[in-house]
Amino acid sequence: EDKVVQSPLSLVVHEGDTVTLNCSYEVTNFRSLLWYKQEKKAPTFLFMLTSSGIEKKSGRLSSILDKKELFSILNITATQTGDSAVYLCAVLNDMRFGAGTRLTVKP
Amino acid sequence: GAVVSQHPSRVICKSGTSVKIECRSLDFQATTMFWYRQFPKQSLMLMATSNEGSKATYEQGVEKDKFLINHASLTLSTLTVTSAHPEDSSFYICSARGLAEPQETQYFGPGTRLLVL
Repeated sequence: EDKVVQSPLSLVVHEGDTVTLNCSYEVTNFRSLLWYKQEKKAPTFLFMLTSSGIEKKSGRLSSILDKKELFSILNITATQTGDSAVYLCAVLNDMRFGAGTRLTVKP
Repeated sequence: GAVVSQHPSRVICKSGTSVKIECRSLDFQATTMFWYRQFPKQSLMLMATSNEGSKATYEQGVEKDKFLINHASLTLSTLTVTSAHPEDSSFYICSARGLAEPQETQYFGPGTRLLVL
């Protein structure tokens, strides 16, 4: 069965810190991996990664995919309290999500 | 960006009644729609995948006779929770996948919070 595993499950940092969130997967016929941020309601789209080794960047957030080792990381630099959320990854094939990483950024 | 709407955003109903939730892709055609359920402090759990014009594929453990999914058009899918019970109270979210070059798009609706009394 396809699997998506995220780590850590929970992370508490202070403003200004840099964090790295991990997502590993085992799926058949991999197409793409997606990252989402979920605050109070539905998830909002962050990145879609299809090719290995190509970093996608949006402001302080960046993400990269390693198709050989079957994982992706999401980096957030200079964290702010507004980054506090659950970060979810999913594989595009069947859109199953990992358990998520709950990030708390303290002032 | 692409927009997906859900209606209603919140519903309270009595035990034993049926509730229909609509998911619409507003500015693109959704070839596939996904329905999720999310309990407090838990991740999204995929319930079913539906393709336009065909029967939905349900995840293991999800009762297809209880959670009826209809994907009648490329812009609308509905989830009907039949004979709802308090344990069905949850946050239900749909996601729509369309075709937008150069890659597929996949966006979530805002979710529907269901409370069964």
